[in-house]
Amino acid sequence: QLQLQESGPGLVKPSETLSLTCTVSGGSISSSSYYWGWIRQPPGKGLEWIGSIYYSGSTYYNPSLKSRVTISVDTSKNQFSLKLSSVTAADTAVYYCARIVVVVGGPPLLFDYWGQGTLVTVSS
Amino acid sequence: AIRMTQSPSSLSASTGDRVTITCRASQGISSYLAWYQQKPGKAPKLLIYAASTLQSGVPSRFSGSGSGTDFTLTISCLQSEDFATYYCQQYYSYPPTFGQGTKVEIK
Repeated sequence: QLQLQESGPGLVKPSETLSLTCTVSGGSISSSSYYWGWIRQPPGKGLEWIGSIYYSGSTYYNPSLKSRVTISVDTSKNQFSLKLSSVTAADTAVYYCARIVVVVGGPPLLFDYWGQGTLVTVSS
Repeated sequence: AIRMTQSPSSLSASTGDRVTITCRASQGISSYLAWYQQKPGKAPKLLIYAASTLQSGVPSRFSGSGSGTDFTLTISCLQSEDFATYYCQQYYSYPPTFGQGTKVEIK
């Protein structure tokens, strides 16, 4: 049974960098059939895709966040990570990691397994 | 970015009711449309992809239809465990975008 688990600080100061790691168990992050991604949800609001990565290191970012986001992968640890710089209160959200299915004929943007999510609050 | 608009934003229904939620894309997305269910404090769960294909393990009372710009999610006989928020999502092009959600509440 595939499981994804987010980890990282729950409180980040404004202007600092938010760092989260997603650990994948029950499956290999190096599978050619999947990408891996981050999605966030501000309290009481909707879902926003942050970015995705392939095991080879290829990345895709939301243009609205691209200048502040870095996603990386560590295949030896079966983990991928998110860094979001220069955070503000607007970055307060539940951050989810997810597995992304490679769809025939379309871009890899379908999220089939999600972690439980972790709340990150930006506050001094 | 493709804008996804759901209606209604919320609805009240009773157990056993038939419920329909609509999702409209700002441009054609073929059938690259997914539906997710989210319960309070939980991660979204994939229900339907390719507009009408049920994810493994999802009850058959859920169904989806549509293509192009207009899509629907139908719950044929609402059960207590179906009270949740539902999101549509396009995966036709980058960036993937979600609807604002439809909250299904108990009448």
